[in-house]
Formats: sequence, C-alpha cells, structure tokens
Amino acid sequence: SQQGEEDPQALSIQEGENATMNCSYKTSINNLQWYRQNSGRGLVHLILIRSNEREKHSGRLRVTLDTSKKSSSLLITASRAADTASYFCATSQGAQKLVFGQGTRLTINP
Amino acid sequence: DAGVIQSPRHEVTEMGQEVTLRCKPISGHDYLFWYRQTMMRGLELLIYFNNNVPIDDSGMPEDRFSAKMPNASFSTLKIQPSEPRDSAVYFCASSFLQGSGNTIYFGEGSWLTVV
Repeated sequence: SQQGEEDPQALSIQEGENATMNCSYKTSINNLQWYRQNSGRGLVHLILIRSNEREKHSGRLRVTLDTSKKSSSLLITASRAADTASYFCATSQGAQKLVFGQGTRLTINP
Repeated sequence: DAGVIQSPRHEVTEMGQEVTLRCKPISGHDYLFWYRQTMMRGLELLIYFNNNVPIDDSGMPEDRFSAKMPNASFSTLKIQPSEPRDSAVYFCASSFLQGSGNTIYFGEGSWLTVV
C-alpha cells in the first residue's frame, strides 16, 4: 500500500511562478525524500530530510517536514519549463525500504 | 559512473511467454531494488536485495514472478508465464547504506507490454 500521498495530483503554473506540492504519510518515518521523474525516464533523487529536521534547502528547492502532522511540502521557486515532471515523495520506515506516493504531475507553461 | 543499467528498454511479448529483465547496479552499491510502475497502482516495490541476498519480497505479485541476484553486479526479474496485466514499466534501482538515509539511484526502466 502507498505510504505517501501527494497533493495535488496535477499542477499547472506559469513559468516564473512558485510551485508547491504536499505529501502526507501514515506511519513514523526515519526520513522523507523527494524524487523527480521526467516523462519516459527513471526517478532522480532531489532532496532528503531527516525526521529530526524541519526545513531543508537545495538551490531552488525548499522542503519542510512536520512530523506531528505527518506531512511534507516541496516548494520550487522561480519555476522553469525544465521543471515540468512528476514529483514523488518517498518515506523510509527503517532498513532500506522506500515507499513512494502516487506523485504530483507538474506542468510549467512558458 | 554509468549509473544503473537495465535491459531491454522496451519489450513486447505475447501472453504466456517468459520475460527476463536484467539489471546492472552501480558499482559499490550493496542494495538493489526492483520496482514496478503503472498508472493504476503507481510505483510499487517488488523485492530488494542486500549483498545479493533477498531481504523483502513481499511485493512480488505472485509465483509467476521471480528475482535473482547471482553476484553484486547483476540481477534478473523473470515473469513466467506473462499476462497482459503485467504490462508496466519495471525499474531497477540501487543504493548503499549511508548514515540515516539512503538515496536510491534508478535505471531508465524496462517498458514491458504483454499482448
């Protein structure tokens, strides 16, 4: 069963705007990760946030984690056409097993 | 580094035929994962190995599916006999243990169509 659930399922914005995607999960986690998948390609790791962290930045990416609400958000600032992709959250419950959500399909319109 | 290498990239086969998907993980990685992606079910973990040993195969759909990892640089996922509902993209991925988090590196996937 899916552990993470992304919201919204699809998001379409204009280039230059910020994009925010949310992820909710059900059980306690060791860490939460975000991945990107371009059409027809494999997933690529973007950022990892540990359960004792609340916020993390990487370039134009900002991730927050609220373990009390079992939720995370991914913010992409100043979006570009190349950011068009599906974005997945994945949670680790121990060992090396990652469970992925259904993903948010992001479209950046020029 | 060449990344995770999967073959074939695309395969179309008839129902009842045997399908073998192959994977070469990133050198030095000690974990290998097989995932399946479909529109209906999303990305599902089928099985993963640590140091060539299967650790968790609870995601393998049924006995028609089997996976092996005879050495650190090669793994196969076999479907016998294949059925149309097995049509999906199958991803192999690898990682190595690093502190409290593991980044998984995915291959480009094997697109399987069973007709």
